[in-house]
Amino acid sequence: AQSVTQPDIHITVSEGASLELRCNYSYGATPYLFWYVQSPGQGLQLLLKYFSGDTLVQGIKGFEAEFKRSQSSFNLRKPSVHWSDAAEYFCAVGAGGYQKVTFGTGTKLQVIP
Amino acid sequence: NAGVTQTPKFQVLKTGQSMTLQCAQDMNHNSMYWYRQDPGMGLRLIYYSASEGTTDKGEVPNGYNVSRLNKREFSLRLESAAPSQTSVYFCASSVERGEQFFGPGTRLTVL
Repeated sequence: AQSVTQPDIHITVSEGASLELRCNYSYGATPYLFWYVQSPGQGLQLLLKYFSGDTLVQGIKGFEAEFKRSQSSFNLRKPSVHWSDAAEYFCAVGAGGYQKVTFGTGTKLQVIP
Repeated sequence: NAGVTQTPKFQVLKTGQSMTLQCAQDMNHNSMYWYRQDPGMGLRLIYYSASEGTTDKGEVPNGYNVSRLNKREFSLRLESAAPSQTSVYFCASSVERGEQFFGPGTRLTVL
């Protein structure tokens, strides 16, 4: 069975600073990887996904993530954070022909002026 | 398109009461899911349905039942609610190997 770890529960960054959120997964073969964002009181929205091919994946709202097989990681990055990026971010891993996805526990991002 | 809709948005129950959470999607997706979200625990899968007419247990199925009524609708039933079932419940749908689209959630409190 697959698993995913987000080691940072809470991160605070200044507006305009760069951001990197960490995600590590455990799965024997190549997984499907996702990053979702959840604003307060809302459902989850997909930021980006990796299935195969180019290991650097571009998403919405200026986010990108890089799949590193050797490190079992799929870290989310953004070069310049905006106040509206304050939210909770979830990494997720899917596997197999049928997509049964396991979510991480989330990283809450706070953006300060 | 409405996407994934859930009703109700909020609900308060007393211990032992029953209720059904409704979910519907208009994206013609085969797969549908029910999750619960608790602080510090991320989303945990309760039940899923790979296609119309099939359902399977997820990580935390105890105390819940589901019905895949048709391709659009997937309901979650609490037969005898317990305080441990106080949570936010999300329904989602997807195509196979695709991203999941989430509803807005149902906030349930069991007293």
